[in-house]
Amino acid sequence: EVQLVESGGGLVQPGGSLRVSCAASGFTFSNYEMNWVRQVPGKRLEWIAFISKSGDINYYADSVKGRFTISRDNAKNSLYLQMNSLRADDAGVYYCARQMPGSYDFYDLWGQGVLVAVSS
Amino acid sequence: EIVMTQSPATLSVSPGERATLSCRASQTFGSNLAWYQQKPGQAPRLLMYGASTRATGIPARFSGSGSGTEFTLTISSLQSEDFAVYYCQQYNKWPPAFGQGTKVEIK
Repeated sequence: EVQLVESGGGLVQPGGSLRVSCAASGFTFSNYEMNWVRQVPGKRLEWIAFISKSGDINYYADSVKGRFTISRDNAKNSLYLQMNSLRADDAGVYYCARQMPGSYDFYDLWGQGVLVAVSS
Repeated sequence: EIVMTQSPATLSVSPGERATLSCRASQTFGSNLAWYQQKPGQAPRLLMYGASTRATGIPARFSGSGSGTEFTLTISSLQSEDFAVYYCQQYNKWPPAFGQGTKVEIK
């Protein structure tokens, strides 16, 4: 089955760190650019990070630049998001999303999401 | 940065009726627009891209149109499984940006 499964969410204190992961299966992971998109409760979906197929090119939303790092391990079919200096407004559901091939920045496959809570 | 605005926020429709959802962009662009459906507790699901191309497995009752700044998603005859929140997303200009969503609820 073609799917993405996130893990690693949880409760973290403001200023803390957390790494979330996304395991891909059912397709050739290394052939796809990948992204993280988050959804803060009551707000719109927000794209936050992109990584190229080989992992050598990354882009970030201004809201997370300098604090979050996207990475991937193609041998393990896995995508990661390292989140540092977390703030209350980073709380939400984080989705990994597969990008449609052809350099089109929309997403044809999403994981079920992982919840990140930031609170003291 | 392009801002996407969807209307209405909530649309109350009876099963079998037609639903028309709107999405407006703050800057004009071509047709690099996608639509997603999200049900409670689930991930978004791609419905449409290129403004009017249905994604794999999407029923023909879903159609999309528009270009420039005005886009429309139409569901010709609402089925029970179509009650959900719908988001538009532009991918013409970096960064990709989503609308705030339209909730389609049962009337």
